[in-house]
Amino acid sequence: QLQLQESGPGLVKPSETLSLTCTVSGDSISSSNHYWGWIRQSPGKGLEWIASIHYTAITYYNPSLRSRVTISLDASENQCSLKLKSVTAADTAVYYCARDRDYDDFDFWGQGTLVTVSS
Amino acid sequence: QSVLTQPPSASGTPGQRVTISCSGSSSNIGGHVVNWYQQLPGTAPTLLIYSNNQRPSGIPDRFSGSKSGTSASLAISGLQSEDEALYHCASWDDDLNGWVFGGGTKLTVL
Repeated sequence: QLQLQESGPGLVKPSETLSLTCTVSGDSISSSNHYWGWIRQSPGKGLEWIASIHYTAITYYNPSLRSRVTISLDASENQCSLKLKSVTAADTAVYYCARDRDYDDFDFWGQGTLVTVSS
Repeated sequence: QSVLTQPPSASGTPGQRVTISCSGSSSNIGGHVVNWYQQLPGTAPTLLIYSNNQRPSGIPDRFSGSKSGTSASLAISGLQSEDEALYHCASWDDDLNGWVFGGGTKLTVL
């Protein structure tokens, strides 16, 4: 059974860079035909897609976040990473990683990790 | 402001049938499949409906999805207390070249 687990600091200071890692088990990110994505949910709000990446390095970014976001894969660790720079309080959210079935859906999700931006 | 439009709330009594709408445009729902996610309180979203009307293994047939033009709907029949959750619709958007979600609909079972 595919499992995804997010990890990273729960508290980030304003203007700093948020860094998260998603460890995948039950599927190989370098051989899977799927994409791997990040979605966030601000407190009391809906879901917001951030970015998705394929092992061939094809990437898609939310235009509203593109200038601040980097998504990457580490095949040796079977991990997907997200970096969001110059964070503000508006970036406080639960961040989820999920398997992205290329134009179809996100069929498996991690449990999510809460990141709070505060000094 | 979400690209896809959902009502913020819906409600029903046990046993009733409830529908939740999701409205988009030709660049998203009009040209791509719609999927729905169920988010129980305090948990991550899970895939509920994919490809407009398909249920993943383990999802009861009380849940059904449909799409017409630039709108989609999720129907829940035989409403149960455990259906109380947040429901999200999503689709790919050609203009944004990315995924778009609705704002989510909180379903309350009275």
